[in-house]
Amino acid sequence: DTGVSQDPRHKITKRGQNVTFRCDPISEHNRLYWYRQTLGQGPEFLTYFQNEAQLEKSRLLSDRFSAERPKGSFSTLEIQRTEQGDSAMYLCASSFGTPETEKLFFGSGTQLSVL
Amino acid sequence: RKEVEQDPGPFNVPEGATVAFNCTYSNSASQSFFWYRQDCRKEPKLLMSVYSSGNEDGRFTAQLNRASQYISLLIRDSKLSDSATYLCAVTGGNKLTFGGGTRVLVKP
Repeated sequence: DTGVSQDPRHKITKRGQNVTFRCDPISEHNRLYWYRQTLGQGPEFLTYFQNEAQLEKSRLLSDRFSAERPKGSFSTLEIQRTEQGDSAMYLCASSFGTPETEKLFFGSGTQLSVL
Repeated sequence: RKEVEQDPGPFNVPEGATVAFNCTYSNSASQSFFWYRQDCRKEPKLLMSVYSSGNEDGRFTAQLNRASQYISLLIRDSKLSDSATYLCAVTGGNKLTFGGGTRVLVKP
């Protein structure tokens, strides 16, 4: 499978615990995005990498959230001290090219439930 | 005001009919526009890009109105398989901003 892969597909955790998600983009894609989506809403931008550099973070992203993309390949998104409001689908997407022409390819997402 | 806004629907469409819906954006400097399709509990997938001159892909037609800052999607001869949520997306800076989606239900 040469698409964007995300792991795990589902994560159930208790409030206050830390969670980490992984995203493996399409291999030749230099841009990687994290989005969050709740039921009935569109994807909300969280952060964006070009190669290994994190170029933009949303104001939605509190200091409990951190993302990395070491070596410009896979990426991880960590949420510390999870809260019930963090429950959502976390989507990773990758692309190649400039923002004006790029087309995003999404992974299947990680569904997070915080109890 | 949200950067990108859509009528959430649902648009209930008889099979074979035509349906059209819009998406408005607030940033006049936006350069690129897209329509994505999202099936229930699935990831969004690119449906089509939206060019200044408008573009057509089979039964789907997308148009851009820069003066009024909206894009539109028209689906002709609707199929049951067209039932989905249609997300518009607009570039601004380094990121793609999505609308909340328009739900379309095609019924026999």
